[in-house]
Amino acid sequence: SQQGEEDPQALSIQEGENATMNCSYKTSINNLQWYRQNSGRGLVHLILIRSNEREKHSGRLRVTLDTSKKSSSLLITASRAADTASYFCATDDRNEGAQKLVFGQGTRLTINP
Amino acid sequence: ETGVTQTPRHLVMGMTNKKSLKCEQHLGHNAMYWYKQSAKKPLELMFVYNFKEQTENNSVPSRFSPECPNSSHLFLHLHTLQPEDSALYLCASSQVSTLQETQYFGPGTRLLVL
Repeated sequence: SQQGEEDPQALSIQEGENATMNCSYKTSINNLQWYRQNSGRGLVHLILIRSNEREKHSGRLRVTLDTSKKSSSLLITASRAADTASYFCATDDRNEGAQKLVFGQGTRLTINP
Repeated sequence: ETGVTQTPRHLVMGMTNKKSLKCEQHLGHNAMYWYKQSAKKPLELMFVYNFKEQTENNSVPSRFSPECPNSSHLFLHLHTLQPEDSALYLCASSQVSTLQETQYFGPGTRLLVL
């Protein structure tokens, strides 16, 4: 079942601007992760935020998590052309054993030079 | 490079062919995954192997047959596929140990079924 749903589906901004993507999910989670995918390639993990955390930073990335609203946001500051990619949130839907990530449909981000 | 390799990178096959996709991880992980990514659909989890044992089969048709001979290798055997099976097939691995697992993805195999 689809858990994470990203919003917007597509976002186009000018280089140097900030990009914000949102993710909503339906059930309780252990953690929420954001991944990036360049066209036709594999996904690359960006950042993980645990269910008891509210905000996390990594370089130009800032992730927030609001478990009461079941939502998360990914902010990319001072965007660069190389940030053009699709961004996915994934929730950890596991009770035991190997992890089961449930991905949203992603936000397609285009940075215009 | 993420430490996960997939071969072939591109594959074109007819509906009567039999082919196999291969995935290898060099990270010492103990869990491996197959995902299917179709256009305009969320990434779909197909199979999960935890310590070489299949722990998840997400209602995948039997024309897809996974094999995990050891914790570093994962195969997806394909036979009598349909055109709607054309997609990007991604392999991933992770270390099952904490609640903060991240998955490491290979570059994918782009499959076209004619």
